[in-house]
Amino acid sequence: KQEVTQIPAALSVPEGENLVLNCSFTDSAIYNLQWFRQDPGKGLTSLLLIQSSQREQTSGRLNASLDKSSGRSTLYIAASQPGDSATYLCAVNNYGQNFVFGPGTRLSVLP
Amino acid sequence: NAGVTQTPKFQVLKTGQSMTLQCAQDMNHEYMSWYRQDPGMGLRLIHYSVGAGITDQGEVPNGYNVSRSTTEDFPLRLLSAAPSQTSVYFCASSRTPGGSETQYFGPGTRLLVL
Repeated sequence: KQEVTQIPAALSVPEGENLVLNCSFTDSAIYNLQWFRQDPGKGLTSLLLIQSSQREQTSGRLNASLDKSSGRSTLYIAASQPGDSATYLCAVNNYGQNFVFGPGTRLSVLP
Repeated sequence: NAGVTQTPKFQVLKTGQSMTLQCAQDMNHEYMSWYRQDPGMGLRLIHYSVGAGITDQGEVPNGYNVSRSTTEDFPLRLLSAAPSQTSVYFCASSRTPGGSETQYFGPGTRLLVL
């Protein structure tokens, strides 16, 4: 059974810092991996989708990498801003299966 | 496009009551799903559907029923509410099943069972 973990559970950084969020999964036979953002009291918004054949995806200040063999993905946020404060979740999809979500990392960017 | 909509936004139930959580999407997506989110546990899949007339169970289906009579709508029914069903419920959709494409989420329904 696929299990997804995220470290750290919470992170607080000053504005302008570059930061890395981590996601680990136990079954490396994945189809793709998706990073989401969730604002308090809101639904999830997809940030980046990485297919199993890709090693990274970029969108603006966000860069997500994927290392299937080690069961890891990282989300890199450059020059963090207070508006980046949210919970970030990763979700892993195995072939023919549904997404399995991690518990999330709660990020606070202080002005 | 409104995307994925959910109603109600918040609901309080007494133990044993039944209710239906509504979910609709206007993107003509084939795949729809229901998740519950509990503190520290991430999202867990309750039921999903790969098209009208087709539904299947996810990780935590007990106590919930679904149906998919149209492409647009995917209601979730609580048969006899229990305090353990206190949670935030999210509906999601994507163009195709199998997770190959982006999932779109609704704003959620916060349910409290007393």
